[in-house]
Amino acid sequence: DAGVIQSPRHEVTEMGQEVTLRCKPISGHDYLFWYRQTMMRGLELLIYFNNNVPIDDSGMPEDRFSAKMPNASFSTLKIQPSEPRDSAVYFCASTSGWSYNEQFFGPGTRLTVL
Amino acid sequence: KQEVTQIPAALSVPEGENLVLNCSFTDSAIYNLQWFRQDPGKGLTSLLLIQSSQREQTSGRLNASLDKSSGRSTLYIAASQPGDSATYLCAVGTSGSRLTFGEGTQLTVNP
Repeated sequence: DAGVIQSPRHEVTEMGQEVTLRCKPISGHDYLFWYRQTMMRGLELLIYFNNNVPIDDSGMPEDRFSAKMPNASFSTLKIQPSEPRDSAVYFCASTSGWSYNEQFFGPGTRLTVL
Repeated sequence: KQEVTQIPAALSVPEGENLVLNCSFTDSAIYNLQWFRQDPGKGLTSLLLIQSSQREQTSGRLNASLDKSSGRSTLYIAASQPGDSATYLCAVGTSGSRLTFGEGTQLTVNP
């Protein structure tokens, strides 16, 4: 298996622009997670899906952030409009089954908002 | 709210030394605990997963222990090598498959 795939790996944009991050989970995994990593706050869970349905989005910082999972093999995290404080590394992770299984992380997308 | 703390924040050791990284958590109602490794500019690599009913897990030179009642876990690395240099993250799994991460320990193994 190719593992969790994220694109793009790097994104540089200007404040106010829309940003879309993409994730393909490991085939067969029914849980998908979006995390954000910053120096100040470490790794934070933003939202997670089970069987394509959003279960907990309490970590989404603001209405500017939205996430979708139209099918089992694809998810997007969108920021509109982007702000400099959104600059971070965004990770996608997936796992199968319930809470007992390990999560597998993608390589991350490094977002810089100027 | 679950809080995870890792001590020390940074550690520098000579090659060959055995070392212990510490992780503590505030709420003992956990499903599992996972140790990750993160190399600079890279994603997270899962090292060991300990279920809440287990006391320890081993993989090669790594051994992780879990004491749920006291809210502690340790990661033991035997015979450290320069290739072990990375940031090690502890994450606690709670209800709903949520992982709460510690801040990490940055390890440097000097040749």
